[in-house]
Amino acid sequence: NAGVMQNPRHLVRRRGQEARLRCSPMKGHSHVYWYRQLPEEGLKFMVYLQKENIIDESGMPKERFSAEFPKEGPSILRIQQVVRGDSAAYFCASSLTGAKTRREQFFGPGTRLTVL
Amino acid sequence: QKEVEQNSGPLSVPEGAIASLNCTYSDRGSQSFFWYRQYSGKSPELIMFIYSNGDKEDGRFTAQLNKASQYVSLLIRDSQPSDSATYLCAVIGDGNNRLAFGKGNQVVVIP
Repeated sequence: NAGVMQNPRHLVRRRGQEARLRCSPMKGHSHVYWYRQLPEEGLKFMVYLQKENIIDESGMPKERFSAEFPKEGPSILRIQQVVRGDSAAYFCASSLTGAKTRREQFFGPGTRLTVL
Repeated sequence: QKEVEQNSGPLSVPEGAIASLNCTYSDRGSQSFFWYRQYSGKSPELIMFIYSNGDKEDGRFTAQLNKASQYVSLLIRDSQPSDSATYLCAVIGDGNNRLAFGKGNQVVVIP
C-alpha cells in the first residue's frame, strides 16, 4: 500500500496529557502537511514540512503544538497538555513536490483525537 | 471575506442527473485548484485538480476554472448514489503550498 499512513486512527487522552500523532507520506513524497477538522467546521491548515525542515507553520497554535519530520521515520504532530477543544480529526497529507503544477496533496485516513 | 467560499446548501439530485457545484476564492494570485470528496467519517479524497483556465474532464467529472472571475466549479454527470458525499473546494494561494478549503457542499443523489 503506497498511500499516506497515519496512526493511531483513534486516540483518547485525558486533559493535561500529551498526544502524539504519526504520519508516513506516500512512497516517494517528501512534502508533508497537517490539517485539522473540528466538528462541524472546515479543514484548516496547520503546518507544512519537508525532511528536517518546517516550511510553513502559519496555522499552528502558538502554544502546546509542535511538529517535526525527521530525516528517518514518520512526521509527528505533538500536542502537549491537551484540552477538550483539541478534540478533532487530524489529517496528514503528502505531495510529490511543491512545484506549482505538481503539488496535488493526498490525504491519509486521519487520527480522531478525543479529549476526556 | 473568506478565502474560499462554497455558498450553496445541500444539493439533492435524482440519479442520472447532473450535479453542479460552485466555489469562489479571494486570492487573485492563486495558481492551483482542487476538488475533494469526503464521505462521512472519512478523509478527503482528491477527485479533480485544475491549474489552467477552461475545462478539465475526467470520467464523469468536469472541473471548470475562470481566473478572471475567481470561480471554480465541478460538474458530476450521470450522478450515482455512491456520489452522495460532501464536496470540498480547495485552493492554493500565491506564494505558499497550503490548501485553503471551503466549508463544503453536501450532495445527496436520490435513487
